[in-house]
Amino acid sequence: LAKTTQPISMDSYEGQEVNITCSHNNIATNDYITWYQQFPSQGPRFIIQGYKTKVKNEVASLFIPADRKSSTLSLPRVSLSDTAVYYCLVGERSGGGADGLTFGKGTHLIIQP
Amino acid sequence: NAGVTQTPKFQVLKTGQSMTLQCAQDMNHEYMSWYRQDPGMGLRLIHYSVGAGITDQGEVPNGYNVSRSTTEDFPLRLLSAAPSQTSVYFCASSYVGTIGEQFFGPGTRLTVL
Repeated sequence: LAKTTQPISMDSYEGQEVNITCSHNNIATNDYITWYQQFPSQGPRFIIQGYKTKVKNEVASLFIPADRKSSTLSLPRVSLSDTAVYYCLVGERSGGGADGLTFGKGTHLIIQP
Repeated sequence: NAGVTQTPKFQVLKTGQSMTLQCAQDMNHEYMSWYRQDPGMGLRLIHYSVGAGITDQGEVPNGYNVSRSTTEDFPLRLLSAAPSQTSVYFCASSYVGTIGEQFFGPGTRLTVL
């Protein structure tokens, strides 16, 4: 499984756009990039997944350069409720012998008023 | 849909006791998994299953057993609880074709004295 590296913590303010970058230099051809969000005392929640270029949904955007060795999660106009830990994961999208998801320590995003 | 449910929410055990953490999902997902999360850490995979009757070990399986007799249920058994098993346990499920997009339960907070 490809290892990921992301900042331990980040601070921002309400209304700002926040970009969290994750590096995954050893990403394999079949690997997808997935981001999860976790609030205190709750299970992680799937945010977005992508393979290459740009993916966008109602919550976030995911930018993946051509070499796929990194990815950036973009949260538009954050609010206090976006304070959470964000995990970047890399792995195959499917597979009968899956290793599950490998969670690192994530990025603790703190949004201030 | 109830999604992924876990019981109990909290549990205190004495060293050496055994217990079963329950997990159920009503989304007809083939893939189910158990993770543990220790303070300040990411999640670590304990066991997973790709369908009824099929289970496999994850990263930290020692001291835990699982079984998958139905698609809906995936109980986790602690054979002889130890203080090192004090943690928050999360169950998750997904379709085999989209393992990167897992749905997590609310968690069980276990303390072993």
